[in-house]
Amino acid sequence: AAGVIQSPRHLIKEKRETATLKCYPIPRHDTVYWYQQGPGQDPQFLISFYEKMQSDKGSIPDRFSAQQFSDYHSELNMSSLELGDSALYFCASSLSEGNNQPQHFGDGTRLSIL
Amino acid sequence: AQTVTQSQPEMSVQEAETVTLSCTYDTSESDYYLFWYKQPPSRQMILVIRQEAYKQQNATENRFSVNFQKAAKSFSLKISDSQLGDAAMYFCAYRSDRGSTLGRLYFGRGTQLTVWP
Repeated sequence: AAGVIQSPRHLIKEKRETATLKCYPIPRHDTVYWYQQGPGQDPQFLISFYEKMQSDKGSIPDRFSAQQFSDYHSELNMSSLELGDSALYFCASSLSEGNNQPQHFGDGTRLSIL
Repeated sequence: AQTVTQSQPEMSVQEAETVTLSCTYDTSESDYYLFWYKQPPSRQMILVIRQEAYKQQNATENRFSVNFQKAAKSFSLKISDSQLGDAAMYFCAYRSDRGSTLGRLYFGRGTQLTVWP
């Protein structure tokens, strides 16, 4: 079965650079979630989209922005990168926000800031 | 905000034995969902089992089962006949069923499970 696809798998950037992370949800899934997992930490919710509209916002820095496109894929844009942004970034998708369907996670993008 | 607590940072079990991982949560809501996710060294986040709060019957998925105590706000995971492949970090997670934070998962700090041969 198709899963959530995230790209790239690994990304190395320097401080103050920008980065774009992409997420392709499972076909027919209309809701996308982004989580950040720092080293040795639990995942923290960043932001979510339902039907291309932002549906919830968590602890996402103002330097980050995200959107969901008409094909339901999502991109997380990160600017003025800091050392503390080094983390594993997960995207998850589900069929519908109001549904009781669970979130399925991608393999994550490991972002390293030098 | 809801909080999820996993009081066991590490647990170990002998292969073929049974182990129980603990999870408690704090919420004022009556409708919600609870999940256990597994994160092996590959760092994937894999759904193990889920429980709807309105269901009194405990969820079961093959060797994995939960003990859901709603009044006590407790949600433990039991792994029977443990296998080497069960070794991973296990996260307990909470999801609201309504309101502005519908959908987002709140995770505990995780329990690292080691399985000995």
